[in-house]
Amino acid sequence: RKEVEQDPGPFNVPEGATVAFNCTYSNSASQSFFWYRQDCRKEPKLLMSVYSSGNEDGRFTAQLNRASQYISLLIRDSKLSDSATYLCVVSHNYGQNFVFGPGTRLSVLP
Amino acid sequence: NAGVTQTPKFQVLKTGQSMTLQCAQDMNHNSMYWYRQDPGMGLRLIYYSASEGTTDKGEVPNGYNVSRLNKREFSLRLESAAPSQTSVYFCASRDDSLNTEAFFGQGTRLTVV
Repeated sequence: RKEVEQDPGPFNVPEGATVAFNCTYSNSASQSFFWYRQDCRKEPKLLMSVYSSGNEDGRFTAQLNRASQYISLLIRDSKLSDSATYLCVVSHNYGQNFVFGPGTRLSVLP
Repeated sequence: NAGVTQTPKFQVLKTGQSMTLQCAQDMNHNSMYWYRQDPGMGLRLIYYSASEGTTDKGEVPNGYNVSRLNKREFSLRLESAAPSQTSVYFCASRDDSLNTEAFFGQGTRLTVV
């Protein structure tokens, strides 16, 4: 089993839709959690960090459930520019590696 | 702000040739990482370095060597390139004492023929 797993996708949604991505992780010692966005043929870039209390940044909301080892990302009012691959990332303690899920591809259609 | 700089951006090698991918960061980060990304596979960790002079294997280290000679630079070497090493390679750095995010270079597209 992979350490970080995500919805396989792809997700094709119309503009204005709400879409949710799910991510699970297997290492209970994981301490930091992130969502990255990757555009085609580009490097991954941070979308948002995920905090225990949940956090929101505009149209984006991230949730963490440590008991279930589950992370989610909700995108409201999808824009064409949201089309990308969304990567879930978990990190362990100091000096440990930074582990990516396989990513979920989103296409927002006009 | 340079951030993380990788060179070269593109490279074509013949099977059996060697090369070194260079990575440098100017953010004073302690941890640095090398990933490869293949279609449908996500980013897989090759090696990482938690501090100057230390390196550890990731998920797919075979066929690669790394060197962390100083805090800024972390290089990845292919001693004898194989077609299976055709991929996009990303370098990243992070201050993991703050548990903050990693920053990525723009990637190196490597083709081994």
